[in-house]
Amino acid sequence: DTEVTQTPKHLVMGMTNKKSLKCEQHMGHRAMYWYKQKAKKPPELMFVYSYEKLSINESVPSRFSPECPNSSLLNLHLHALQPEDSALYLCASSPGGSGGTDTQYFGPGTRLTVL
Amino acid sequence: QKEVEQNSGPLSVPEGAIASLNCTYSDRGSQSFFWYRQYSGKSPELIMFIYSNGDKEDGRFTAQLNKASQYVSLLIRDSQPSDSATYLCAVNILYGNKLVFGAGTILRVKS
Repeated sequence: DTEVTQTPKHLVMGMTNKKSLKCEQHMGHRAMYWYKQKAKKPPELMFVYSYEKLSINESVPSRFSPECPNSSLLNLHLHALQPEDSALYLCASSPGGSGGTDTQYFGPGTRLTVL
Repeated sequence: QKEVEQNSGPLSVPEGAIASLNCTYSDRGSQSFFWYRQYSGKSPELIMFIYSNGDKEDGRFTAQLNKASQYVSLLIRDSQPSDSATYLCAVNILYGNKLVFGAGTILRVKS
């Protein structure tokens, strides 16, 4: 089973709102990721958690705040977003092994619209 | 120079033909290479991965890797209209978990 789940599927929020995106996997993977994807563009890496510790932050604005409560869960807290943050937010997970051969599996994504 | 380059297409092939998708990368230290398929409005779905030089076959799909030429390709045999999608090439740039994507190639299979 290579299933990564994400909730909600769709989210509409105002610029003053606080919301959270959730991601879950039960494959025993030890690395989890957040990506942002704009229309007709490839996914852009935002954050990587490896063994529940933040290992990569791709200079993402502080209005995006990741959290990894345990090895199966990944959250992305959103606050004071801008309309240009509207995008498909993708979560992925991978076994987390070394050797440069780690394979990432994506969840279905959350379609975020900021008004 | 972009780290991972793909022709954006669209690449149009007739049903039953072989579709050939190509990708080049700049980092000679790259360890692993992935092909994802993405339908409009959906998330990327892993099609193939390849680590070693040569060919790797899985059903109608064949991935080819040439590290000396820094080139990876995906062949789709007996193309079907359901194969119409954007195909993303991704490369593990750093020793670890960072995956960098090409811009994607749009494939259209015409019946």
